[in-house]
Amino acid sequence: EAQVTQNPRYLITVTGKKLTVTCSQNMNHEYMSWYRQDPGLGLRQIYYSMNVEVTDKGDVPEGYKVSRKEKRNFPLILESPSPNQTSLYFCASSLSTSGMYEQYFGPGTRLTVT
Amino acid sequence: KQEVTQIPAALSVPEGENLVLNCSFTDSAIYNLQWFRQDPGKGLTSLLLIQSSQREQTSGRLNASLDKSSGRSTLYIAASQPGDSATYLCASPAGQGGKLIFGQGTELSVKP
Repeated sequence: EAQVTQNPRYLITVTGKKLTVTCSQNMNHEYMSWYRQDPGLGLRQIYYSMNVEVTDKGDVPEGYKVSRKEKRNFPLILESPSPNQTSLYFCASSLSTSGMYEQYFGPGTRLTVT
Repeated sequence: KQEVTQIPAALSVPEGENLVLNCSFTDSAIYNLQWFRQDPGKGLTSLLLIQSSQREQTSGRLNASLDKSSGRSTLYIAASQPGDSATYLCASPAGQGGKLIFGQGTELSVKP
């Protein structure tokens, strides 16, 4: 089944404890990205990757890192999480960035930082 | 800069009713418009993608239309069911990186 998977689905952590949220897609997509969703603010892009080893900042990159060593994986790293990073996180992928292609989203990771 | 708006923010209808959800966008030079469904606290499920060259797309009881000249897209749901209750989001790619610009969503409640 074609899909985007994320792990973990739920995570409660404390301020400053490094964490990684994994994202994997099995559709051979070139483009992958991360969004966060917050009440009243909607979905905002954090980082994106147009291809392996090519990543760039989205609208809200502060406090996050990403890497794209393999085409199928695009982990989101929070080096020193803070309470304002409590949010619902989504990974997405698409065949390319040409704008013609449908984007597929993962099931989401609900992160709470205390 | 593309802006996407969805009105109303919430809608409640009785089961069986046909309904229309609205999506407006400011930049008519869009590549496509995508409709998603989101159940509370869950992921986004892609429902329909309309390319800029298309006027409408259909999937089962869903029909999405696109009118670039007026900056509007609609999602028509026929014979609504309680299982259709969810938040519906529309989005259009804008700018570098394939970023999707989302509307704020319409929360639909279908009452039995």
